[in-house]
Amino acid sequence: DTEVTQTPKHLVMGMTNKKSLKCEQHMGHRAMYWYKQKAKKPPELMFVYSYEKLSINESVPSRFSPECPNSSLLNLHLHALQPEDSALYLCASSQGYRAYEQYFGPGTRLTVT
Amino acid sequence: QKEVEQDPGPLSVPEGAIVSLNCTYSNSAFQYFMWYRQYSRKGPELLMYTYSSGNKEDGRFTAQVDKSSKYISLFIRDSQPSDSATYLCAMRGTGGFKTIFGAGTRLFVKA
Repeated sequence: DTEVTQTPKHLVMGMTNKKSLKCEQHMGHRAMYWYKQKAKKPPELMFVYSYEKLSINESVPSRFSPECPNSSLLNLHLHALQPEDSALYLCASSQGYRAYEQYFGPGTRLTVT
Repeated sequence: QKEVEQDPGPLSVPEGAIVSLNCTYSNSAFQYFMWYRQYSRKGPELLMYTYSSGNKEDGRFTAQVDKSSKYISLFIRDSQPSDSATYLCAMRGTGGFKTIFGAGTRLFVKA
């Protein structure tokens, strides 16, 4: 099974809302990633968790808060977002030592109104 | 100068054509070179990766890396309408978790 699942598929939220994105994988991967992708742009790395510890935070605003409750799950908590945060949010995973072989989920399309 | 340059296209070809997609890069520390395919409104899918220089073939797809020229290519033989997608090159060094993506080339294969 090489599947990474993400929920929800679509999310519309107001600027004062709090919501969470969820990502799950059962491939035994110990590295998990959050990316943000705007239309016709490449994915931009936001966070990396390695063995459930935050390894990389690419200077992401604090209104995005990641969480890795266990080796299979990755959450992204959202609060007080801005309209410019509207994008496709992608989760990916990899074996820790094979970071060149990332498996992506289908993404959550987020619209901030 | 961006670390990875990729022509965004679009590139339109007839069915059955050989497609050539390319990227150039500036960071000589890159050792892993990947190609991802992304359909509209979907996540990227890893097609293949190459370590250091050389060629790698997988079915109708061939990846080439020329480190001396800092140039990588993906060839698609006998292209099909189902190959219509955005193709992203990606690169990284040997350590850490950060991967640098190209802007992606939009490919249209006409039946």
